Order: sequence, then C-alpha cells, then structure tokens
Amino acid sequence: AQSVTQLGSHVSVSEGALVLLRCNYSSSVPPYLFWYVQYPNQGLQLLLKYTTGATLVKGINGFEAEFKKSETSFHLTKPSAHMSDAAEYFCAVSDGSGTYKYIFGTGTRLKVLA
Amino acid sequence: EAQVTQNPRYLITVTGKKLTVTCSQNMNHEYMSWYRQDPGLGLRQIYYSMNVEVTDKGDVPEGYKVSRKEKRNFPLILESPSPNQTSLYFCASSLRISGTSTDTQYFGPGTRLTVL
Repeated sequence: AQSVTQLGSHVSVSEGALVLLRCNYSSSVPPYLFWYVQYPNQGLQLLLKYTTGATLVKGINGFEAEFKKSETSFHLTKPSAHMSDAAEYFCAVSDGSGTYKYIFGTGTRLKVLA
Repeated sequence: EAQVTQNPRYLITVTGKKLTVTCSQNMNHEYMSWYRQDPGLGLRQIYYSMNVEVTDKGDVPEGYKVSRKEKRNFPLILESPSPNQTSLYFCASSLRISGTSTDTQYFGPGTRLTVL
C-alpha cells in the first residue's frame, strides 16, 4: 500500500527566508506526486506535480519540488517566503497499482512571520 | 468557467436524518472523488469513480454511499448520519486517468457538515 508522510504539522519561517516542506512517500510502483495548497476557507489547488521526466518540478507562485527516488522524497521549496504563502500544504501520491486511489499526507501549516 | 460545485456549503443536521451532498463538474472529467478533511488527519478518500456506473471504495467508506449515473454528477449520501461524520467534505474531479494513475484533481469549495 502506498503512503505519504509529511514531517512537521506546523512550520514557521520569516518573510524572505527559505521555505522547506518535507514529504516522503512509499510506493511499490513509480508514483505520481503532487503538492496542493489550501488557503483559509477554500478548497485545494494544485501547486505542482511530478509524473515522469525531469525530477525538478516548478510550480506556481515560485514553488518547486524535487523527486528523489533514492530518498523516496518530494520536498517542496521556495527561496523566499512571502506573507501570502501562509496556508496549509498537502503532499499527495496517486496510486499506480491500478486501484486509482489518491493518498494525501496530513498536511503542513505554514506560518510566515513579518 | 470550469469548476466543481458542491451543495450545500454548510449543513447542520441531526443523527439519523438522511442527507445528500451534491457535486457537479462542468469539465467532462472521467474521474470524481469524495474526501473528508479532519484536523490532524489531512484528507482521506471516501469513494471514487472512474466513470459512469463505476465506483470504488477509498480508505474510509463506512457510513457513506455514492452513485454516478451521469458523468458530471457524483452525489455523496449519508443514509444515517452520526456525530463522527462531522467533517469538512470535498469533491474533486480529474480530466483523465493516465495509465494506472490519476492526473491533477480539481477541488470543489467544500461542504462543512455538522451532525448533532
């Protein structure tokens, strides 16, 4: 069975500092990996995704993530945090074993300090 | 505008009173799914549908039913709601299934359900 682990349920960074949100997955088949963001009182929207090809994936709002198969990781980074980045971030993996399930991590709430 | 809509957005009900939360998408997506979001647990998949008349259980299907009679609609039915089903519910849809996996999902705005 596939799973996703997000380390740190809450992360605080200063405005302008590096953002690093960690995601590790387990999968017996090549995974599709996603990062979604949820702003307060809203649904989720896609930040970026990895399916195949280039392992460094760029997304919206300056975010990027690198798929590292050897480390089973897909960490999300942004070089310089902005106040508007404050939100909850979810890592997700699409089950590639043919069951079409979609598995989310428990989320990381990012706080940006002025 | 391409979107996933859910109704109602907010619902307070009592234990045992059957309810339906509707979900509709206008993007001709094949894949649709229901999730519940609870603090500290993230999103957990309840049911999903690969196409009309094709549905399957997610990780937490107990107490829920779904149907997919039309491509655009995927209602979630709670036949006898209980307080532990108090949660924030999201419907999502996906353009296509790539190989054996799903593609980007587009989420509705959520339905906040309280069962007393």
